[in-house]
Amino acid sequence: DAGVTQSPTHLIKTRGQQVTLRCSPISGHKSVSWYQQVLGQGPQFIFQYYEKEERGRGNFPDRFSARQFPNYSSELNVNALLLGDSALYLCASSLGRVPTDTQYFGPGTRLTVL
Amino acid sequence: KQEVTQIPAALSVPEGENLVLNCSFTDSAIYNLQWFRQDPGKGLTSLLLIQSSQREQTSGRLNASLDKSSGRSTLYIAASQPGDSATYLCAVLGNQFYFGTGTSLTVIP
Repeated sequence: DAGVTQSPTHLIKTRGQQVTLRCSPISGHKSVSWYQQVLGQGPQFIFQYYEKEERGRGNFPDRFSARQFPNYSSELNVNALLLGDSALYLCASSLGRVPTDTQYFGPGTRLTVL
Repeated sequence: KQEVTQIPAALSVPEGENLVLNCSFTDSAIYNLQWFRQDPGKGLTSLLLIQSSQREQTSGRLNASLDKSSGRSTLYIAASQPGDSATYLCAVLGNQFYFGTGTSLTVIP
């Protein structure tokens, strides 16, 4: 079975631009979470979506938004990019909304903002 | 707010040695604790998940323990191999996942 997939692998943008990152969960998984990992740090929670609704949000500005589609795939959008948004963006899927479910991570999208 | 700390930040050991990685957290109200492995520039691979009601989990050469009352977890790696070289992250699940900053492990052949 395919794992969590993310696209694109790498992305280079300039300040002020907008970016959309995509994630496809493991087949049968209904929950998708997004994380930002700055170099040398652990991942920071951004959003969790379950059954197309936002179920959790971390401490990120409104420039960050996301949505989940009927097939449970998800997009993360970041507007008005700042240099500090440069990071590895990770998507994780889990079976349901239950907090005790194991999360499975994708390979990430490396975003560089110049 | 939950804070997760991992010590040491980096560790270098000769091949074959047994080692222990440490993780501490400030809020014991957690659902579970998960250990991950991350290779450079890559995503996270789940190694072990310990539910809050459990004390330890084992998978092959890996053993993870959890002491919720003291806010501590350890990851024990037996007979280390060069392929174990990676960054090891622990994460606790409360109202969201909180990650530590990781321990970078190098196993020298």
